[in-house]
Amino acid sequence: QSALTQPASVSGSPGQSITISCTGSNSDVGGYDYVSWYQQHPGKAPKLMIYDVRKRPSGVSNRFSGSKSGNTASLTITGLQAEDEADYYCCSYAGSSTWVFGGGTKLTVL
Amino acid sequence: QLQLQESGPGLVKPSETLSLTCTVSGGSISSSNYYWGWIRQPPGKGLEWIGSMYYSGSTYYNPSLKSRVTISVDTSNNLFSLRLSSLTAADTAVYYCARLLSDDDAFDVWGQGTMVTVSS
Repeated sequence: QSALTQPASVSGSPGQSITISCTGSNSDVGGYDYVSWYQQHPGKAPKLMIYDVRKRPSGVSNRFSGSKSGNTASLTITGLQAEDEADYYCCSYAGSSTWVFGGGTKLTVL
Repeated sequence: QLQLQESGPGLVKPSETLSLTCTVSGGSISSSNYYWGWIRQPPGKGLEWIGSMYYSGSTYYNPSLKSRVTISVDTSNNLFSLRLSSLTAADTAVYYCARLLSDDDAFDVWGQGTMVTVSS
C-alpha cells in the first residue's frame, strides 16, 4: 500500500483558481469512486472537504470541487481566499477495507 | 453534535506498547452507518491510516502496521481503543481518531488529536 502522490506545494493569488492532483493506481483511486479530500490548518485536525470524488459535505463552500480521471483525482478551489491557505490531503479507498492517504500539498495564497 | 476525544500518555518508551482511547459523545458508536478509525501524523509529515473497526468488532489494519496494531471497541462505554506495540521513534506522531462513513468511505468527524512521543 503506497501513499498517493500529490504535489508538495501549489500557490495562487486571491481570486484565482488552483488545482491539486492526487495520483494513485488501479488498486485505489482508479478502482473506486471513494476519493475524499481534507483541509488541515496548522495545529488543527483535518476537515472533510470533498467525498465520493465530487460531493461536498454540508457547510463546505461551493468554491471547492472534486473530479477524477483514471488513476488521478483532483481538487479545484476557485476564487482563492486567504483562509484557504492550508495543507490538503487526498484519501482513497484501496479495497479490502483499507484506506490510503496522499502525502499532502501545501497551498499558499500569495 | 458528535464529538471524539483521544486520551492516553504523551510520552512512551521505545519497545513499549502505546494505548490510546477515543471516547465518542453526542452519538452512538453502535450505529450501523459508521466505522471508526485511527490516523496518525508524524511531525511535519502527512497523514497515515492506521486501522478501522466496526462496532461489531470487525477490524481492518494498514498492512505496514498490522503486526503491531490492535483496535478494540467498548460499546457499553461508547469508546474504542488503539494498541501499538514495539514502539520506535518513528511512531512519534499526533494520533487522531475519526468517524468513517460506511457508505462513502470518508472520515467526516475527527478528534482534536493527541501527541505521542516515543523516547527514553
